[in-house]
Amino acid sequence: DAGVIQSPRHEVTEMGQEVTLRCKPISGHDYLFWYRQTMMRGLELLIYFNNNVPIDDSGMPEDRFSAKMPNASFSTLKIQPSEPRDSAVYFCASSLAELRENSPLHFGNGTRLTVT
Amino acid sequence: SQQGEEDPQALSIQEGENATMNCSYKTSINNLQWYRQNSGRGLVHLILIRSNEREKHSGRLRVTLDTSKKSSSLLITASRAADTASYFCATDLGGSTLGRLYFGRGTQLTVWP
Repeated sequence: DAGVIQSPRHEVTEMGQEVTLRCKPISGHDYLFWYRQTMMRGLELLIYFNNNVPIDDSGMPEDRFSAKMPNASFSTLKIQPSEPRDSAVYFCASSLAELRENSPLHFGNGTRLTVT
Repeated sequence: SQQGEEDPQALSIQEGENATMNCSYKTSINNLQWYRQNSGRGLVHLILIRSNEREKHSGRLRVTLDTSKKSSSLLITASRAADTASYFCATDLGGSTLGRLYFGRGTQLTVWP
């Protein structure tokens, strides 16, 4: 398996622009997580899905952030409009429900977002 | 906060030495997991220890768990320069948060050749 695939690897955009981050989880995994990592705040959980349904979005910072999972093999995280303070590395991770009590997360390599 | 907290924040050692990192947490857990993150990459799962386990080994890794003290330690024996990375503990609280992990801020380990 290719693992969790995220795109793009790097994104540089100007303040006010819309940004869309993409994630393909490992086939067969039915939990999907979006995390944000910064030096100041560490690793923060933004939202997670189970069987394509959002379970907890309490970590989404504000209405500018939205996430969707239209099917089991694809998810997007959208920021509109983007602001400089959104600059961070955004990670997608997936895990398997059958083992969910003890299920390790599989992370993608992240998207480094820079908003100028 | 329900996050684990790693200690120390940074650790610098020579190749061949052992590296010990600690993690403390605040609430009862289902399991505790350790992850590694190389610069510019995603986190990689290393080892999982359940709440009813006290010690676990995987290659050069040894993890202990003391639920009475709400703490865990990760020992890397005979360290190598390639072990240089950040190490995170993550707690699984189970129950209604099943599947979700709470991550600490990490320990940055540097192993000098």
